[in-house]
Amino acid sequence: DAGITQSPRHKVTETGTPVTLRCHQTENHRYMYWYRQDPGHGLRLIHYSYGVKDTDKGEVSDGYSVSRSKTEDFLLTLESATSSQTSVYFCATGGPTNEKLFFGSGTQLSVL
Amino acid sequence: SQKIEQNSEALNIQEGKTATLTCNYTNYSPAYLQWYRQDPGRGPVFLLLIRENEKEKRKERLKVTFDTTLKQSLFHITASQPADSATYLCALGINAGNNRKLIWGLGTSLAVNP
Repeated sequence: DAGITQSPRHKVTETGTPVTLRCHQTENHRYMYWYRQDPGHGLRLIHYSYGVKDTDKGEVSDGYSVSRSKTEDFLLTLESATSSQTSVYFCATGGPTNEKLFFGSGTQLSVL
Repeated sequence: SQKIEQNSEALNIQEGKTATLTCNYTNYSPAYLQWYRQDPGRGPVFLLLIRENEKEKRKERLKVTFDTTLKQSLFHITASQPADSATYLCALGINAGNNRKLIWGLGTSLAVNP
């Protein structure tokens, strides 16, 4: 997976609790992305980063925040998890030209 | 409305045959189109990128065509093998202000039977 590590791989949590998902890359790619993948919706962009401390919203950003304090790390936080945030979350980096994406193996999050 | 569509039904073919997957879109003017492979429990893996001014691209047993008039891309796997069984996603790269945006299809599941 091109040096992209997501943690945890699986998480079960309760509604209303905060959750942080981690993405670590060893490729020194400038752009990083958080997607969620749900049946019938495909991949949807939550947030992305174009450099350290530089982030922007994607199409489904409500209820999520991100931080990027180092080139290699991109964190996704659900401040107060809801059942609608049950999904598979993928981190990706944009590669040297930010065209093709390199994905991590995903985090399966269940909010009960 | 803007949308991107892939064959919704799973494709089952015999080993050795050519698999052809379709990606159609409406109301976009893409700069490029990409194809990814996704295996169960894994993230998508990039396969090929074809630009708006290119008609065809090949990589080993893979071939992609891109017709911006028909607004369609075809993805071919020749001499298919059971190991090619996976879900294949297409993604349109479109310009959005100063950035590029990827619009994803839902994917087509391919099963290659021995």
